[in-house]
Amino acid sequence: NAGVMQNPRHLVRRRGQEARLRCSPMKGHSHVYWYRQLPEEGLKFMVYLQKENIIDESGMPKERFSAEFPKEGPSILRIQQVVRGDSAAYFCASSIRQGEGQETQYFGPGTRLLVL
Amino acid sequence: GESVGLHLPTLSVQEGDNSIINCAYSNSASDYFIWYKQESGKGPQFIIDIRSNMDKRQGQRVTVLLNKTVKHLSLQIAATQPGDSAVYFCAEKVTGFQKLVFGTGTRLLVSP
Repeated sequence: NAGVMQNPRHLVRRRGQEARLRCSPMKGHSHVYWYRQLPEEGLKFMVYLQKENIIDESGMPKERFSAEFPKEGPSILRIQQVVRGDSAAYFCASSIRQGEGQETQYFGPGTRLLVL
Repeated sequence: GESVGLHLPTLSVQEGDNSIINCAYSNSASDYFIWYKQESGKGPQFIIDIRSNMDKRQGQRVTVLLNKTVKHLSLQIAATQPGDSAVYFCAEKVTGFQKLVFGTGTRLLVSP
């Protein structure tokens, strides 16, 4: 049973380019979360999605960042016009559903974004 | 070698020792807590969780203790092994929200 999958694992972009990060949740999981991690720091919540719906985007920067989780296919985190400060590791997690016993979030291996 | 705080402190132990990693959480409305292990270059790996209606939970070689009075969480690892070397994060979830709030972690170094 495959875990959470993310690709690419490493992504290099020049300032001003777009970055697209993909996440496929664990089989049977319908809830997806994106987090960002800077070196030597904990993970910071960005956005929580269910299929075709953004539930909580309180951690997303107001500009240049967007996320989607379409009916078919992976969840996408999109960063437009990247800047050096966007360099970080971006992790996706998934859970079965809300509610006691179902809410454990399992993480993927992450995408390391480097902006030159 | 017990460490406290949320500024990536380091705990160094010898193989076979018991390790205790501490975490002070911030929100009294948090109802669910998780410990994750993160090895270099990898994603966080689930270790053990505990709900706010419990004060202790045991897994294989690990025990989590929750003290809601002082908002403190600890992870105990028995017979620590070199493979346990990693950064350990506590995370909390507030009632009614799904996002996890992470501490900054503790680095555990296990010497053979």
